[in-house]
Amino acid sequence: GQQLNQSPQSMFIQEGEDVSMNCTSSSIFNTWLWYKQEPGEGPVLLIALYKAGELTSNGRLTAQFGITRKDSFLNISASIPSDVGIYFCAGSKAAGNKLTFGGGTRVLVKP
Amino acid sequence: GAGVSQTPSNKVTEKGKYVELRCDPISGHTALYWYRQSLGQGPEFLIYFQGTGAADDSGLPNDRFFAVRPEGSVSTLKIQRTERGDSAVYLCASSPGGQETQYFGPGTRLLVL
Repeated sequence: GQQLNQSPQSMFIQEGEDVSMNCTSSSIFNTWLWYKQEPGEGPVLLIALYKAGELTSNGRLTAQFGITRKDSFLNISASIPSDVGIYFCAGSKAAGNKLTFGGGTRVLVKP
Repeated sequence: GAGVSQTPSNKVTEKGKYVELRCDPISGHTALYWYRQSLGQGPEFLIYFQGTGAADDSGLPNDRFFAVRPEGSVSTLKIQRTERGDSAVYLCASSPGGQETQYFGPGTRLLVL
């Protein structure tokens, strides 16, 4: 079963808003990754974090690797409609090892 | 350059049948991973190859599942005596080896009737 807990499970965005999601674990991971998945496709890597405390940006996305190595968050600034999708956090305990995924945060557009 | 490719993209089979799912990793990537994703959930690890050998097969649910990578490139995931609970998206990923950055294919959607 999943070892990473993501929250919120789903959220509605309005264009221009900043949104935030996070991921927590009961155990330590040495690498944190954030992926986005759209319907019918595989996950696409957004950001990779390799050091505790690291803050990394990729365009409008910013992610941080928690100091305790047990959490990470992802922020999306000035959201746009194409930000809709499912965002997954994933952790790895050692280089090249398997990834453990969270349950995903579903980002939807406000009606 | 070409990404990870998986065939078939969809597979419908009957309970009890045997299926093979194929993964072509990114050229030059030595590490290859298989994951399974059930509806509404995140991917779950099945098996990881470094070169031709299975470095970690701890995620295979039972002995009906088997995977090979005979030449260190293409991999085949084999499922015997399929059950309805095997229905899921089977994802393949590859990485250059020794890195956490895994690149995923589009997946094979398996439906067992």
